[in-house]
Amino acid sequence: AQKITQTQPGMFVQEKEAVTLDCTYDTSDQSYGLFWYKQPSSGEMIFLIYQGSYDEQNATEGRYSLNFQKARKSANLVISASQLGDSAMYFCAMRDALDSNYQLIWGAGTKLIIKP
Amino acid sequence: DGGITQSPKYLFRKEGQNVTLSCEQNLNHDAMYWYRQDPGQGLRLIYYSQIVNDFQKGDIAEGYSVSREKKESFPLTVTSAQKNPTAFYLCASSIDSRSSGANVLTFGAGSRLTVL
Repeated sequence: AQKITQTQPGMFVQEKEAVTLDCTYDTSDQSYGLFWYKQPSSGEMIFLIYQGSYDEQNATEGRYSLNFQKARKSANLVISASQLGDSAMYFCAMRDALDSNYQLIWGAGTKLIIKP
Repeated sequence: DGGITQSPKYLFRKEGQNVTLSCEQNLNHDAMYWYRQDPGQGLRLIYYSQIVNDFQKGDIAEGYSVSREKKESFPLTVTSAQKNPTAFYLCASSIDSRSSGANVLTFGAGSRLTVL
């Protein structure tokens, strides 16, 4: 069965430092997609970045990048130059066809707190 | 601006009562979803709908019901059969649900249900 693991329940990072949020996944499908979402205290989930399993380059979106290591089944989110507004819950999710019928499977999340 | 509107934001229910959570989207998306979020856990899929007048059970559909009579609307009823309904409920939509590609979900702001 597919699974998403986020091993860091919480993290404290100094403002302006880079931060890496860990995500490992498990699937037997060759075609899958990996997503990162941010959930501020307001509750709404905000899409950050996507990586397809066949994408050769790591995805980047502004200050967000995804460190995709396919052989290790790892899809870590890197936030460069962290800001106070980055304080939120961050969720990693995966979609494949084999086990989840294209529905997203979610990790438990990491609570990131940026210190001024 | 296009988006998803969930109402009410907060809802209190007595045991034994059914309640209905509203979800409306003006994004012209075919697929809509309902997720439940509990503290320390990832999102869990309750129901999803790929098209009007069709919906599928997710991982935790017991005690919930939905309808999809219009493309824009996907209300969720939490019935008295749901044994532990206190949770945060998130509605989402996407262009379609049958792809392992970058099918990004757009979320509403959520509804917090508390059973007294």
